Amino acid sequence: DAGVTQSPTHLIKTRGQQVTLRCSPKSGHDTVSWYQQALGQGPQFIFQYYEEEERQRGNFPDRFSGHQFPNYSSELNVNALLLGDSALYLCASSLGDRYPYAQYFGPGTRLTVT
Amino acid sequence: EDQVTQSPEALRLQEGESSSLNCSYTVSGLRGLFWYRQDPGKGPEFLFTLYSAGEEKEKERLKATLTKKESFLHITAPKPEDSATYLCAVQTEGTDKLIFGTGTRLQVFP
Repeated sequence: DAGVTQSPTHLIKTRGQQVTLRCSPKSGHDTVSWYQQALGQGPQFIFQYYEEEERQRGNFPDRFSGHQFPNYSSELNVNALLLGDSALYLCASSLGDRYPYAQYFGPGTRLTVT
Repeated sequence: EDQVTQSPEALRLQEGESSSLNCSYTVSGLRGLFWYRQDPGKGPEFLFTLYSAGEEKEKERLKATLTKKESFLHITAPKPEDSATYLCAVQTEGTDKLIFGTGTRLQVFP
């Protein structure tokens, strides 16, 4: 049973650039959530996608945007990168119509902005 | 404002020395409480979901309990491989997001 996968593993970008991170959910899951985790902190919710729509959004600026594809995979885009965007970006998948439900996390993408 | 607080921030145990990690929460309506284990540089690994006060779940050396204001993760006779950061998260009524605490960093030495 394939778990949640994310790519790339690591990424180094320059301030002002744009980045796209990718996520494939666990087999059978239809909902994808994105989180940002700074060093020494718990993950912070960015947004969630269900049925190709953004269902809920956390307190992140519009520079953070996403997309979900018909196969349930998802992308996170960040524009105009800031030094403070350096973090571990986590994707989590779940079943969108069952509450409450556990979210299963991928290995993360480590983004470094210089 | 919904809030999750974990204590202690860090815990050092000798192998075999049992202990408990605490997660206290202040939320408007609890839908579920979740425990995760996270190894350095990796994504959180799901351990338990607790839905209502009085509920208990066990897995190997770990046991999670839930009251109306807090949850405990009891570690019995820990081994060095149990060393990790343990994260607690809540999901509240009317929302899909998980609200995490900052975690407890556990080190178990031989």
